[in-house]
Amino acid sequence: DIVMTQSPDSLAVSLGERATINCKSSQSILYSSNNENFLAWYQQKPGQPPKLLIYWASTRESGVPDRFSGSGSGTDFTLTISSLQAEDVAVYHCQQYYSPPYTFGQGTKLEIK
Amino acid sequence: QVQLQQSGPGLVKPSQTLSLTCAISGDSVSSNSAAWNWIRQSPSRGLEWLGRTYYRSKWYNDYGVSVKSRITINPDTSKNQFSLQLNSVTLEDTAVYYCARGKVGVRREFDYWGQGTLVTVSS
Repeated sequence: DIVMTQSPDSLAVSLGERATINCKSSQSILYSSNNENFLAWYQQKPGQPPKLLIYWASTRESGVPDRFSGSGSGTDFTLTISSLQAEDVAVYHCQQYYSPPYTFGQGTKLEIK
Repeated sequence: QVQLQQSGPGLVKPSQTLSLTCAISGDSVSSNSAAWNWIRQSPSRGLEWLGRTYYRSKWYNDYGVSVKSRITINPDTSKNQFSLQLNSVTLEDTAVYYCARGKVGVRREFDYWGQGTLVTVSS
């Protein structure tokens, strides 16, 4: 199985400041046929299912604000929120969909400082 | 707009079978471009993908290693839904269970999720 490891486990950032969450996979999830990384980021608020933010490591899902961006390739990935808003308080999960079993990181809890 | 509506009991006794259903609207369980997944979430295990069913001229299933011997995911084309059965449950199967749509091919992320069902295993 591909193991996904996020860092940090929790993060406190001031409103308007940048938040950065990292995700590392135990093997490359770069798909050679289309040169895309098979990595997604999800946002989960209490009592709700996860919401897809980013796929292919850096493509924003329709309707997701452009303050959210994803980067990275191979085994190392980053989710960046450029200017933290109050509504961004949530747990963020990365997930690989390169090969089943599809696996998630342990989640990063983002709070306001 | 795709919607997934989950149903099923929230309490299951140890050693019995957990059964949940996910009703699909806005898409088809027989779609050639979708896969239908079950995922669970617990404080101890985080988000855990359990398995999927999808149709490509015939039906296919993939299951997670930790539940492979106990799980069945079945489509129901007459009702446009799919189901999860998990046999011989233990306390460790207590979790929030989600159904979710994924795609097959070069886009496989989960773009639509059900509302979640808290299933407690207790006598």
